[in-house]
Amino acid sequence: GAVVSQHPSRVICKSGTSVKIECRSLDFQATTMFWYRQFPKQSLMLMATSNEGSKATYEQGVEKDKFLINHASLTLSTLTVTSAHPEDSSFYICSARDIEGWETQYFGPGTRLLVL
Amino acid sequence: AQTVTQSQPEMSVQEAETVTLSCTYDTSESDYYLFWYKQPPSRQMILVIRQEAYKQQNATENRFSVNFQKAAKSFSLKISDSQLGDAAMYFCAYRAGTYKYIFGTGTRLKVLA
Repeated sequence: GAVVSQHPSRVICKSGTSVKIECRSLDFQATTMFWYRQFPKQSLMLMATSNEGSKATYEQGVEKDKFLINHASLTLSTLTVTSAHPEDSSFYICSARDIEGWETQYFGPGTRLLVL
Repeated sequence: AQTVTQSQPEMSVQEAETVTLSCTYDTSESDYYLFWYKQPPSRQMILVIRQEAYKQQNATENRFSVNFQKAAKSFSLKISDSQLGDAAMYFCAYRAGTYKYIFGTGTRLKVLA
C-alpha cells in the first residue's frame, strides 16, 4: 500500500524557535497533501491543504504566517511552525492523496511537537 | 456545512464478539465517499474500510463491514470476531468534491479478553 513518512517523529524546542516538519509520499505522487493537528483525545483538525506548485489553502482560524506550508515537489510537503510557543505543542499529522489511485488519503505516522 | 457525528465516545466488546460503531453525517451532496479509520496507540491512522456513496452495496473487508444507509445518512461499522488488536480509536470520515476529509470525534473501542 501507499506509504507516507514524516520527519521528525518527535521534536522538543524552545519557545521562539521555528520547527520544520517534512511529509513525504514514498511510493506514489501526491499533488495534494493535507496537514492536520490533533490534540490529546480529540479528533483530527484540518489545518491546510497543500497543493504542489501553488500556495496552500488554510482553514478558517489557522494563521498562515504562523504555519508556513511549502509543497515544492510531488512527493514532499513541509510545515514550518514559526516562532513556536507552548500552545503550539500538539500532534501534527500529514496525509497525501494518491493521484493515481482511489480517492483515499494515506496518513503519515505523525510528529509530536513539544514547545518548552 | 458538512458534519460527521459519532455519538459513542467509548465502546467495549468481548473478544470474539461483534460490535457496531455508529456514524451519521449531514450533507447536501449526492456524490461523496465515506471512510472508517483506525488509530491505535501508535497514532498511525490506518484505513479500515471505504464506501462510495453511489454504490448501494455495503463494503466489506474481512471482519469489517459497513451498514450504509444513504437516505438516513448513516454509516456504521461492524467488527466481527473482535480481536485484541482491534482496540483503538475509530474515526468516521466524509469526503466530497474538495478532497478534504471531515472527521467525526471518534469512538474508543476496548476489547476485553
